[in-house]
Amino acid sequence: QSALTQPPSASGSPGQSVTISCSGTSSDVGAYNSVSWFQQYPGKAPKLIIFEVNKRPSGVPDRFSGSKSGNTASLTVSGLQAEDEADYYCSSYAGTNHLMFGGGTTLTVL
Amino acid sequence: EVQLVESGGDLVQPGGSLRLSCVTSGFSFTSYWMSWVRQSPGKGLEWLANIKTDGTSANYVDSVKGRFTISRDNAKTSLYLQMSSLRADDTAVYFCARERIGGRVDLEFWGQGTPVTVSS
Repeated sequence: QSALTQPPSASGSPGQSVTISCSGTSSDVGAYNSVSWFQQYPGKAPKLIIFEVNKRPSGVPDRFSGSKSGNTASLTVSGLQAEDEADYYCSSYAGTNHLMFGGGTTLTVL
Repeated sequence: EVQLVESGGDLVQPGGSLRLSCVTSGFSFTSYWMSWVRQSPGKGLEWLANIKTDGTSANYVDSVKGRFTISRDNAKTSLYLQMSSLRADDTAVYFCARERIGGRVDLEFWGQGTPVTVSS
C-alpha cells in the first residue's frame, strides 16, 4: 500500500487561505468518509484537527476545514496565522482496520 | 486530562529486540482501541498496528507483521509493542495513540513518542 499523496510544501501570507490536498484511491479516501488531518510542530506529537472529512474536535479553531471529492481530500486553513506554520498530515481508513497516512505538507506562513 | 506516556526506546543492534510501553491515564482505557504509529527521522508517519479494547484482536501493517506484537494490560492501563528482528529502517520515533470511539482508526490523542535507533 502506497502512502497518500500530499504536496511537500504550501505557503500563504497572514490572513490568506491555503488549501492542502491529499490524494488517494477508490480503496481508501474514495471509499470511506474517514479522512483525518493532523497538525505537527517540530519535535512534538501530531494533533488531530479534522476527523471524518470535515469534523473538528473540540478546541480546534473553525479556521480549519476539511472536504472531500472523489479520491481527494482537502484541508483549508483560512485567515492564516503565524502559529499555523507546521507540518500537516492526512490519513485515511484503508479497510480491514488499517490506516494510511499522507507524506506530509510543510505549511509556511510568509 | 488524557495522558499517554511512551517509554522503552533505546539504541539497539540490527536483529535485536525491544519492548515499548505506553502508560495511559485520564480516561477509561478499556473502552478504547489503541494504536502504534512511527515517524522515521525527517519523514512522514506510518501506522503500525492497533488492538481491540479487550486485547483479543490486533491488526498490523505488512512491514511489521510477524516481527512486531501489540498487546495491552487493561489492569495497568498500558499498551505495549514488542519489536523483534529489528532493522535499520525501523529507526523512528514511536507514538502510541488512542482511537476515537465509533471511528475507523481515528487517532484522537497521541503520546509524545519514544525514539528507537537501530544501528551497530
